[in-house]
Amino acid sequence: QLQLQESGPGLVKSSETLSLTCTVSGGSISTYAYYWGWIRQPPGKGLEWIGNIYYTGSTHYNPSLKSRVTMSVDTSKNQFSLNLSSVTAADTAVYYCARHVGRTQLWSHPDFWGQGTLVTVSS
Amino acid sequence: QSVLTQPPSASGTPGQRVTISCSGSSSNIGSNNVYWYQQLPRTAPKLLISTDNQRPSGVPDRFSGSKSGTSASLAISGLRSEDEADYYCAAWDDSLSASYVFGTGTKVTVL
Repeated sequence: QLQLQESGPGLVKSSETLSLTCTVSGGSISTYAYYWGWIRQPPGKGLEWIGNIYYTGSTHYNPSLKSRVTMSVDTSKNQFSLNLSSVTAADTAVYYCARHVGRTQLWSHPDFWGQGTLVTVSS
Repeated sequence: QSVLTQPPSASGTPGQRVTISCSGSSSNIGSNNVYWYQQLPRTAPKLLISTDNQRPSGVPDRFSGSKSGTSASLAISGLRSEDEADYYCAAWDDSLSASYVFGTGTKVTVL
């Protein structure tokens, strides 16, 4: 049974870099047509797609966050990661990792989500 | 600010039919597939409808999706108390640099 589990600091200081890891179990991260991504949700607000990555390392980011986002994948550990630099209070959110599925990375959609982890940016 | 607009709330009594709209444009709903997600209180979103109107395995047939032009709709028939949740539409938007975008979300209340 597929499981995705986010891990990382729950508190990050303003201007620093937020780093999260998603561990995939019950399936291989190197599966064809599966992509791995991040979505966030500020408290009491809606969802925002951050981006996704293929096991080859190919990435696609939300243009509004692209300058601050870096994603990476570690196939040996069945994990993928998110780095978001220069964070502010506006980056406080629940961060979800999610499997994406589709024939191409650009048109894939999230179909299975982790439980999410709250990251608070403090001043 | 989301490019997909949903009504903030919808409600109905048990057994009723509730419809949620999702309004977009030619660069998203008008040219790409629409997806719907259900987010129960304090849980992660779950894929409810895929590629406009397909129900993933395990999703009750009380849920149905449709699309026309630059708008989409989610219908819940035979409303049940456990359907009380937030619902989000989503689609790829290929204006300028492509991005996956979510709707503003609709809170469904079962009266």
